[in-house]
Amino acid sequence: DAGVIQSPRHEVTEMGQEVTLRCKPISGHNSLFWYRQTMMRGLELLIYFNNNVPIDDSGMPEDRFSAKMPNASFSTLKIQPSEPRDSAVYFCASRRDQMYHEQYFGPGTRLTVT
Amino acid sequence: KQEVTQIPAALSVPEGENLVLNCSFTDSAIYNLQWFRQDPGKGLTSLLLIQSSQREQTSGRLNASLDKSSGRSTLYIAASQPGDSATYLCAVLGGGTSYGKLTFGQGTILTVHP
Repeated sequence: DAGVIQSPRHEVTEMGQEVTLRCKPISGHNSLFWYRQTMMRGLELLIYFNNNVPIDDSGMPEDRFSAKMPNASFSTLKIQPSEPRDSAVYFCASRRDQMYHEQYFGPGTRLTVT
Repeated sequence: KQEVTQIPAALSVPEGENLVLNCSFTDSAIYNLQWFRQDPGKGLTSLLLIQSSQREQTSGRLNASLDKSSGRSTLYIAASQPGDSATYLCAVLGGGTSYGKLTFGQGTILTVHP
């Protein structure tokens, strides 16, 4: 099993640019999660999907952030326009179901906005 | 709102010691609790998952216990090694408004020195 796959692993961009982060969950997992991790705020859940449907997006910081899951094997997190305070490590995670199995994390995307 | 607290925030021990990491949560209505390990610059690796009906889980030198009624879990590491150095996070899966979502503690930074 390849695990959760994220791309790119590192992204450096200028303020105002659009950033798209990508995630491929583990095959057969039907819950997908996007997190952001910073030293100041720790690990924050941004949004989670179940069966490709957004269930809870209450953690999305503002309208500049959007996420999609067009099919069971792909999700994107987009930031438009990006700002320096968006600099963080963004993790994608997946789980077999909503409640009873382990959650597995991808390696993360380190985003730097200058 | 569920809150998860981990004590201590940091721990430094000599190689070979047995040690205990603590996790407490405010709402005992949880489905399960998961312990993760995070190495610097890496993603989270799942260590153990304890369902709410279970008292403990073991994997190699790791043993995690759960006392749901008192809102506590411990992660016991036997015969610690320098390779165990990492940040350890616990997370609980709750219901209600937290349905399907993990709530994380801030982590314990463990250093095992030779």
